[in-house]
Amino acid sequence: QQQVKQSPQSLIVQKGGISIINCAYENTAFDYFPWYQQFPGKGPALLIAIRPDVSEKKEGRFTISFNKSAKQFSLHIMDSQPGDSATYFCAASIGETSGSRLTFGEGTQLTVNP
Amino acid sequence: DGGITQSPKYLFRKEGQNVTLSCEQNLNHDAMYWYRQDPGQGLRLIYYSQIVNDFQKGDIAEGYSVSREKKESFPLTVTSAQKNPTAFYLCASSPAEGHPRTGEQFFGPGTRLTVL
Repeated sequence: QQQVKQSPQSLIVQKGGISIINCAYENTAFDYFPWYQQFPGKGPALLIAIRPDVSEKKEGRFTISFNKSAKQFSLHIMDSQPGDSATYFCAASIGETSGSRLTFGEGTQLTVNP
Repeated sequence: DGGITQSPKYLFRKEGQNVTLSCEQNLNHDAMYWYRQDPGQGLRLIYYSQIVNDFQKGDIAEGYSVSREKKESFPLTVTSAQKNPTAFYLCASSPAEGHPRTGEQFFGPGTRLTVL
């Protein structure tokens, strides 16, 4: 059973535009929500993460918005750049500890056109 | 340089053969993980280990086996029982409790396995 649903599967944005990727989860016990970025042929790397005690977290051009009542969270990339072209995965876990099991979304392939 | 090494980058095997994928880390991380990545399905957890000599099944453990005899190493064997083994396999590790980045998973570069 897929516990984290991610959309869209692919996204094409013009340089300077806003990229928005959405995720929804089912398990209300989840309390840690990271986003990972993966470039072709590489392993994913942590981009930004949020805990449900805040509704928004911003790091540079990347913002996570979190809606606990709707069980949804989203990644916004402002002023999108061609270098942002990658696959993005949302994830969720119970706890933010060593050995915590992350449940990943299906991934979104983002293309930013110059 | 500290990091996670996976070898080889590409691996080809004939159907019916077992194959072992290597994962080594020199980050002194306690926990290690194996994921399988297929297009449109995200990352699915195969096995994970929180300490040496202990490991747990993930969501898709059937047809796979692991060992954790050393903290630095977590090899994955894809057995002939795995019905569809062709995929991109990713190893990850995470630091111990109390580390400022505990909970963050650090990924290796992956091994692409093709079974012919």
